[in-house]
Amino acid sequence: QVQLQESGPGLVKPSQTLALTCTVSGGSISSGSHYWNWIRQPAGRGLEWIGHFYTSGSTSYNPSLKGRVTMSADTSKNQFSLRLTSVTAADTAVYYCAVGAFFDAWGRGALVTVSS
Amino acid sequence: DIEMTQSPDSLAVSLGERATIHCKSSQSVLSNSANKSYLAWYQHKPGQPPNLLIYWASTRESGVPDRFSGSGSGTDFTLTISSLQAEDVALYYCHQYYRTPWTFGQGTKVEIK
Repeated sequence: QVQLQESGPGLVKPSQTLALTCTVSGGSISSGSHYWNWIRQPAGRGLEWIGHFYTSGSTSYNPSLKGRVTMSADTSKNQFSLRLTSVTAADTAVYYCAVGAFFDAWGRGALVTVSS
Repeated sequence: DIEMTQSPDSLAVSLGERATIHCKSSQSVLSNSANKSYLAWYQHKPGQPPNLLIYWASTRESGVPDRFSGSGSGTDFTLTISSLQAEDVALYYCHQYYRTPWTFGQGTKVEIK
């Protein structure tokens, strides 16, 4: 069973870059055909798909984030990463990494607060 | 984007009674070639990540109790909890993975009456 764990700073200043890493265990991010996703949930609101990194190396991002998102992978560490630039308070949320087209395994989530 | 609309926003059901949640997509999420609807359901409890219940609209994830069932095709879908248990109190979300950006419904809160 694949397990995922998010890591990264819990506090980011406005206008700076949010950077999170998802470490995968129990499976390789470079084998098979899988979508490696980032999803977020602002407090009191619903779930928003941020984007995914596919095993082949292709990516797909939610246009709502207006080009601020970049995802990448480090196969040597079995990790994939999220970078979100020019953050504002609206980007404060719990950020999850998850695998699959339907998300059958999730990390526990990482709260990221954008505040000066 | 494919908009997902759930109804109701919340419902209260007595223990042992049936709970029914509806999800409607603004476009069909049925693949004619695959003959599958790209629709999933999740249960989300506070402090935990969402938990996959149903995928392909009606396939129950391994380990999910059989009181949870999914139905529907195309644009209209239903999640049914046949006999509500105390541990089923949660938010429930539908999710389409037919076309990016993948989108979720706004969530339905299920409580005990």
